[in-house]
Amino acid sequence: EPEVTQTPSHQVTQMGQEVILRCVPISNHLYFYWYRQILGQKVEFLVSFYNNEISEKSEIFDDQFSVERPDGSNFTLKIRSTKLEDSAMYFCASSAGLGRPTNYGYTFGSGTRLTVV
Amino acid sequence: DAKTTQPNSMESNEEEPVHLPCNHSTISGTDYIHWYRQLPSQGPEYVIHGLTSNVNNRMASLAIAEDRKSSTLILHRATLRDAAVYYCIRGGAQKLVFGQGTRLTINP
Repeated sequence: EPEVTQTPSHQVTQMGQEVILRCVPISNHLYFYWYRQILGQKVEFLVSFYNNEISEKSEIFDDQFSVERPDGSNFTLKIRSTKLEDSAMYFCASSAGLGRPTNYGYTFGSGTRLTVV
Repeated sequence: DAKTTQPNSMESNEEEPVHLPCNHSTISGTDYIHWYRQLPSQGPEYVIHGLTSNVNNRMASLAIAEDRKSSTLILHRATLRDAAVYYCIRGGAQKLVFGQGTRLTINP
């Protein structure tokens, strides 16, 4: 069964440093997402990406965040200057799309645990 | 705003069926109903989704009320591995919005 792959599984970084979280979505999917989950809290939507541009972003996704699909397979989330409150699990997801992405099931990766110290 | 209502927690016994309810009284005619689950320390996992008619797959069944204002996820024979948080989500136009979900405990 196709999988969404995320690397690294765990990253520790110092406050103020830049981090890049990487994801390989399912190859024939069209919509890509980043979600995050702070420990003990619910899964929160960050951003959706379609046709090489952001289609929607949440209030959390401020100027410190950016996403990119640098080639045909990778999808990255960059945090420019990390803060302590960015510590969370970050999940990548993809959907087949074709019109309305929520008409299809989403496949999530197993996440990257980001710890900012 | 997830716009669905689920019980905070439920408990069941191993090898028994489990019925997880969800209310989505303001759902629009084109919103799919999705169910995901999250095992401890893992990412959300797709379980099932549907629009109007009942749906079955190898993991579960989804029973959707005729007026679509509620649905029930059915695990036919629970195992210990089914202990997780189960999320019922209305499929909005562009994204899925998670609520708090139902924490399902399975007793051996």
